[in-house]
Amino acid sequence: EPEVTQTPSHQVTQMGQEVILRCVPISNHLYFYWYRQILGQKVEFLVSFYNNEISEKSEIFDDQFSVERPDGSNFTLKIRSTKLEDSAMYFCASSGTRGASSEQYFGPGTRLTVT
Amino acid sequence: GESVGLHLPTLSVQEGDNSIINCAYSNSASDYFIWYKQESGKGPQFIIDIRSNMDKRQGQRVTVLLNKTVKHLSLQIAATQPGDSAVYFCAENLDYGQNFVFGPGTRLSVLP
Repeated sequence: EPEVTQTPSHQVTQMGQEVILRCVPISNHLYFYWYRQILGQKVEFLVSFYNNEISEKSEIFDDQFSVERPDGSNFTLKIRSTKLEDSAMYFCASSGTRGASSEQYFGPGTRLTVT
Repeated sequence: GESVGLHLPTLSVQEGDNSIINCAYSNSASDYFIWYKQESGKGPQFIIDIRSNMDKRQGQRVTVLLNKTVKHLSLQIAATQPGDSAVYFCAENLDYGQNFVFGPGTRLSVLP
């Protein structure tokens, strides 16, 4: 069964450093998403991406964040200057169609720890 | 049940019993809802969805009930199995887009 994969599974970085989290969506999907989940808290939507541009973003997704589809298979989330409060699980998801009711398939997540 | 912060409400059920997990959503204008299951170390997994023009929707062993009057959503799992042990949370969609608002989750523990 096709699945979304994410690397690395755990990333430790120092405050102020840049990090890139990587995702490989399901191969025939066209819509991509990033979410985060601070430990013990709710999952929060960050951004959706389609046709090489951002479709929607939340208030969390400020200028420190960016997304990119550098090639036909990867989808990345970059945090330019990490802060302690960026420590969280980051989930990538993809869907085959657009719209709220299109089922999103989530990856296993990358745990980001900012020290 | 609901909570904020680090302590998820926990529901413990005997294997074979039915489980009912509740969620209060925030916006009366929300028109689409999803229940997700999240196992330890994994990402959320879609279970079942429902639109606001419905009160009930059934899947395989799962039923979602929607009460718009009190902004309440429930997930019923029939004949709960050990593999059902996970955190379950609801998500509501506010604007037909991708920006879902997620609930805090309930941990379901299935006892042998």
